[in-house]
Amino acid sequence: KQEVTQIPAALSVPEGENLVLNCSFTDSAIYNLQWFRQDPGKGLTSLLLIQSSQREQTSGRLNASLDKSSGRSTLYIAASQPGDSATYLCAVLDGGSQGNLIFGKGTKLSVKP
Amino acid sequence: GAVVSQHPSWVICKSGTSVKIECRSLDFQATTMFWYRQFPKQSLMLMATSNEGSKATYEQGVEKDKFLINHASLTLSTLTVTSAHPEDSSFYICSARGADRGYGYTFGSGTRLTVV
Repeated sequence: KQEVTQIPAALSVPEGENLVLNCSFTDSAIYNLQWFRQDPGKGLTSLLLIQSSQREQTSGRLNASLDKSSGRSTLYIAASQPGDSATYLCAVLDGGSQGNLIFGKGTKLSVKP
Repeated sequence: GAVVSQHPSWVICKSGTSVKIECRSLDFQATTMFWYRQFPKQSLMLMATSNEGSKATYEQGVEKDKFLINHASLTLSTLTVTSAHPEDSSFYICSARGADRGYGYTFGSGTRLTVV
């Protein structure tokens, strides 16, 4: 059974710092991996989608990497801003017919001004 | 980009009544839609998966007679919480994807249900 783990559970950094969020998964037979952002009381906003054949994806200050063989992904946020404060969720799409997203519990990020 | 509209964003209802939540894909055909429930400070828990025109597939432990899911068209799925009780109070989120799951999943903005 696929399990997704995110470390750390919470992170507080001063504005301007670069930071890394970690995601690991137990079954490497994934279709793709997606990073989401969730603000309190809101839905999920997709940040980056990495296909299983890809190594990384970039969008602005965000860079996500994927090492499928080791079951790891990282989300790198450069020059963090208070507006980046949110919960970041990693989800893998399993290779089954239904294609269910399996979520980690998230990393709650707080960027202090 | 793909957009999924979910409403209402919040609803308060009396115990014993039913509540319907709508999830619409605005600019793509949602072959498959998913309904999640999220408890405070917890991650998302998949409740059911629905394919257009078919009966929903419910996850273990989810009462299909309580949480009625209809996916009658390629752009609309509804979740009806029947005979709601206070323990059904939660945050419900839908997501949708097209026929090619390689394009990722798009989520609605969620619905906060409070049963009093």
